Amino acid sequence: QLQLQESGPGLVKPSETLSLTCTVSGGSISSSNYYWDWIRQPPGKGLEWIGSIYYSGTTYSNPSLRSRLTISVDTSRNQFSLRLSSVTAADASVYYCARQRGSNGPLDYWGQGTLVTVSS
Amino acid sequence: SYELTQPLSVSVALGQTATITCGGSNIGSKNVHWYQQKPGQAPVVVIYGDGNRPSGIPGRFSGSDSGNTATLTVSRVQVGDEADYYCQVWDSDTGGVFGGGTKLTVL
Repeated sequence: QLQLQESGPGLVKPSETLSLTCTVSGGSISSSNYYWDWIRQPPGKGLEWIGSIYYSGTTYSNPSLRSRLTISVDTSRNQFSLRLSSVTAADASVYYCARQRGSNGPLDYWGQGTLVTVSS
Repeated sequence: SYELTQPLSVSVALGQTATITCGGSNIGSKNVHWYQQKPGQAPVVVIYGDGNRPSGIPGRFSGSDSGNTATLTVSRVQVGDEADYYCQVWDSDTGGVFGGGTKLTVL
């Protein structure tokens, strides 16, 4: 059974960089036709797609976050990561990683999510 | 940028049929996915593509889309179906797009 687990600091200071890693177990991140996504959800609000990466390193990103966003993959560790720079209070959210089945497919496996607070 | 519009809330009597809509420009030409999210949990896909159900999702859940509207239908609604429901598509310019979510309440 595929499992995804987010990890990283739960508290980030304003103007600093948010860094999270998603560890995939029970399957290979290098499997063809799967993409690996980040999604976030501010407390009490809806879902927002952040971006995705293919095992080859090709990335896709939300235009509203593109200038601050870096997504990378480490196939040797079966992990992919998110870095979001210059964070503000608006970036405080539960961050989820997920597997995307195909370029237009569903997000069929999700991590449990990790809450990131932005505060000095 | 591409946008999806959902009603904020839908209420339905126990055992009746709930219909949740998702509006988007020419959404009928896209693969629409629906997710169920219960409090404190990650979303779960309940319908993907052209009305397909993942294994483990009851047949009471169905989906359709045509023109500018996609619809998630939940038949014989149970108390356990109370949740937030999100529609989602992939757009060539915007990437992943979620609707704002609909809270389903069972009366």
